[in-house]
Amino acid sequence: DIQMTQSPSSLSASVGDRVTITCRASQGIRNDLGWYQQKPGKAPKRLIYAASSLQSGVPSRFSGSGSGTEFTLTISSLQPEDFATYYCLQHNSYPHTFGPGTKVDIK
Amino acid sequence: EVQLVESGGGLVQPGRSLRLSCTASGFTFGDYAMSWVRQAPGKGLEWVGFIRSKAYGGTTEYAASVKGRFTISRDDSKSIAYLQMNSLKTEDTAVYYCTRGWPVEYWGQGTLVTVSS
Repeated sequence: DIQMTQSPSSLSASVGDRVTITCRASQGIRNDLGWYQQKPGKAPKRLIYAASSLQSGVPSRFSGSGSGTEFTLTISSLQPEDFATYYCLQHNSYPHTFGPGTKVDIK
Repeated sequence: EVQLVESGGGLVQPGRSLRLSCTASGFTFGDYAMSWVRQAPGKGLEWVGFIRSKAYGGTTEYAASVKGRFTISRDDSKSIAYLQMNSLKTEDTAVYYCTRGWPVEYWGQGTLVTVSS
């Protein structure tokens, strides 16, 4: 199975900060990766697909990059509504696997 | 608007069975793969399994933790996906989300399954 790791596991940031979250795969997954945002008590929401494509309706301050084994999610200017937990998901091979999540909270 | 509504969750004893349903609307259900994802209380997301659309054979894939106990099926005439859960264990306690697409795109709001004696 492909293992996904995320770093950091949590971070504290201020409104307006640039935030970068990294996801690493235990083997190459091409660009078969998505990023999801989850707020407490809510279902996750997809932000990025195919590693770097922005989901329709998602603000352009979110961006994704990477290929192979290393991927990043960047929030260019953190907004109050962005405080949440972020997960990556690989769909290159079965079973699909999520990263453990990165919690972004208010500094 | 894509809508996915899960139902069938609740409290069940270890070793028993439960069937979850996911009723879809707002899109042509038969054209899409459907997946189930779960989240134990206070934990991260875990992919449970997936069923392809009929155009791709309608076949299934499962996580090792549920393989042989859980079965995903679909009724395209009713726009419903099912998750049949047998031989339930306490560690299956989680919110179960129905999702659309391969890869996962849209999510339902989830239904809580509690396995406890």
